[in-house]
Amino acid sequence: RKEVEQDPGPFNVPEGATVAFNCTYSNSASQSFFWYRQDCRKEPKLLMSVYSSGNEDGRFTAQLNRASQYISLLIRDSKLSDSATYLCVVNDAGGTSYGKLTFGQGTILTVHP
Amino acid sequence: NAGVTQTPKFQVLKTGQSMTLQCAQDMNHEYMSWYRQDPGMGLRLIHYSVGAGITDQGEVPNGYNVSRSTTEDFPLRLLSAAPSQTSVYFCASSPLAGGPNEQFFGPGTRLTVL
Repeated sequence: RKEVEQDPGPFNVPEGATVAFNCTYSNSASQSFFWYRQDCRKEPKLLMSVYSSGNEDGRFTAQLNRASQYISLLIRDSKLSDSATYLCVVNDAGGTSYGKLTFGQGTILTVHP
Repeated sequence: NAGVTQTPKFQVLKTGQSMTLQCAQDMNHEYMSWYRQDPGMGLRLIHYSVGAGITDQGEVPNGYNVSRSTTEDFPLRLLSAAPSQTSVYFCASSPLAGGPNEQFFGPGTRLTVL
């Protein structure tokens, strides 16, 4: 089983749609969770952290369910500029004090007019 | 600030050749790492460093060496290139405090091994 697993998509949605991505992780000791965004042929960039209580940043909402080892990202009112690959990322401490990031394979989103 | 820079942007090698991918950051970050990205595999950690003189292996270290003689630089050496090392390589850095959570990535090096 992959440590971090995502539905690769692609998700094709019209502008204005709401779309949700899911991610599961296998290590119950994982400490921190993130969504990164990667544009085509570019480097990944941090989109948002995921907190236990859930958090929102504009049109984006992230949620964490530790019991089910599940992370989600909801995008409301999709824009053409949201087209990208969304990477689920987990920080596994692995016995060290600083941890290391494990990336999911990414979910491709295409927003069309 | 230039952030994280990588050179070269593109490289074609023949099987058996060696080369060094360069990575530098000007943000005084302690944590630096190298990833490779292959279709359907996500980013996989090759090696990482938590400070000058300290390096450790990641998930896929075989065939690669690293060193960290300064805070700024973290080169990745391919000892004897193989077609399986054809990939996009990303270098990243972050402050160490609190863990390597927000990593700042370089623009990547696209490597083809023939």
